[in-house]
Amino acid sequence: NAGVIQTPRHKVTGKGQEATLWCEPISGHSAVFWYRQTIVQGLEFLTYFRNQAPIDDSGMPKERFSAQMPNQSHSTLKIQSTQPQDSAVYLCASSLNGGVSYEQYFGPGTRLTVL
Amino acid sequence: GDSVTQTEGQVALSEEDFLTIHCNYSASGYPTLFWYVQYPGEGPQLLFRASRDKEKGSSRGFEATYDKGTTSFHLRKASVQESDSAVYYCALRYTGNYKYVFGAGTRLKVIA
Repeated sequence: NAGVIQTPRHKVTGKGQEATLWCEPISGHSAVFWYRQTIVQGLEFLTYFRNQAPIDDSGMPKERFSAQMPNQSHSTLKIQSTQPQDSAVYLCASSLNGGVSYEQYFGPGTRLTVL
Repeated sequence: GDSVTQTEGQVALSEEDFLTIHCNYSASGYPTLFWYVQYPGEGPQLLFRASRDKEKGSSRGFEATYDKGTTSFHLRKASVQESDSAVYYCALRYTGNYKYVFGAGTRLKVIA
């Protein structure tokens, strides 16, 4: 079991460029979550998929951020026209399902730096 | 809204010292409480959880007791090691709800 895989581990973009972050959940896990981690805001929920369907995107900034899960083996988080305030560690987590009885397993994160 | 407060932003200890990291929560219902640990370059990983009043969670020498009366879930360890240096997060979730509410985290540095 390789755990949750996130690529790339580090990404540097210029202001205004697009960034796409990839997540491969643990095989057999039907729930995928995205979080953003910054020193100021800590860990913030962004969005949640279950069985590839978007369930809750209430934490996603309404503009420039989008997430997809085209198949059960990967999810992407896309940030258009990146801004310096988007600099953060973006964490993906998966669990057997979304219920509280099931632990969320976090990936190592992608550190995004916007210059 | 629900919230989790960790009093200490940073804690510095020597090996074999006693550790306490304070966690208090504010919640309208009866949440499950968690402690997560995050090592550099890794995502948070679950230490343990507790779901009922007076339930004790424990792992790797760390422990915490769910106290509904004082709305607390303080993390303790009797004798820390250098390898315990990490960031510790207290969090809550409600049954049937997938969303965590995380505390701000406490950075523990243990000096050999």
